[in-house]
Amino acid sequence: AQSVAQPEDQVNVAEGNPLTVKCTYSVSGNPYLFWYVQYPNRGLQFLLKYITGDNLVKGSYGFEAEFNKSQTSFHLKKPSALVSDSALYFCAVRVGNQGGKLIFGQGTELSVKP
Amino acid sequence: GAVVSQHPSWVICKSGTSVKIECRSLDFQATTMFWYRQFPKQSLMLMATSNEGSKATYEQGVEKDKFLINHASLTLSTLTVTSAHPEDSSFYICSARDGGLKVSSYNEQFFGPGTRLTVL
Repeated sequence: AQSVAQPEDQVNVAEGNPLTVKCTYSVSGNPYLFWYVQYPNRGLQFLLKYITGDNLVKGSYGFEAEFNKSQTSFHLKKPSALVSDSALYFCAVRVGNQGGKLIFGQGTELSVKP
Repeated sequence: GAVVSQHPSWVICKSGTSVKIECRSLDFQATTMFWYRQFPKQSLMLMATSNEGSKATYEQGVEKDKFLINHASLTLSTLTVTSAHPEDSSFYICSARDGGLKVSSYNEQFFGPGTRLTVL
């Protein structure tokens, strides 16, 4: 069965410090991986995706993610966190033969303190 | 580009009534739209996949007679919660996949802002 796991419910970071939000996946076939961010009472905003190619993917707002096939991980990173980065982050995977359906992780709440 | 809107953004209704939520792709054609449900501080749960001109595909455990989905055009899908009850109160989010000329398995989905439904 396809699944995505975000092992941390919450991540707390001081402003200016690097941040990492973890994601691991389990899929059959090639994974198409995504990160989305959600602010309170809003829909999801696309941050970045990995389809193929370079393992390090750069996305919106200074975020990047590294695809690691051997560890089946796709951790989200940012070198210097901002208070405005505080939000709910979702990792998702899509497998092409499922009609584009996304499977989401349970979400990680990122809190950046000044 | 790639904007998806939802209407209404929030709705309060009495138990037993039906509520219709619209999802529109504003600047692209969406052959496929998805409906999700989200409880507070939880993940999105896919309810159904809506394909233009055909019947929606519902996920296991989702009552198709309760959550009616219509995708009558390439820019509009509707979700109707019939005979709503308090347990249907939730945040409903739609997403649309840009079909265009680049249909592929990795076309990203664009999400609407969500609709907060409260059933009294």
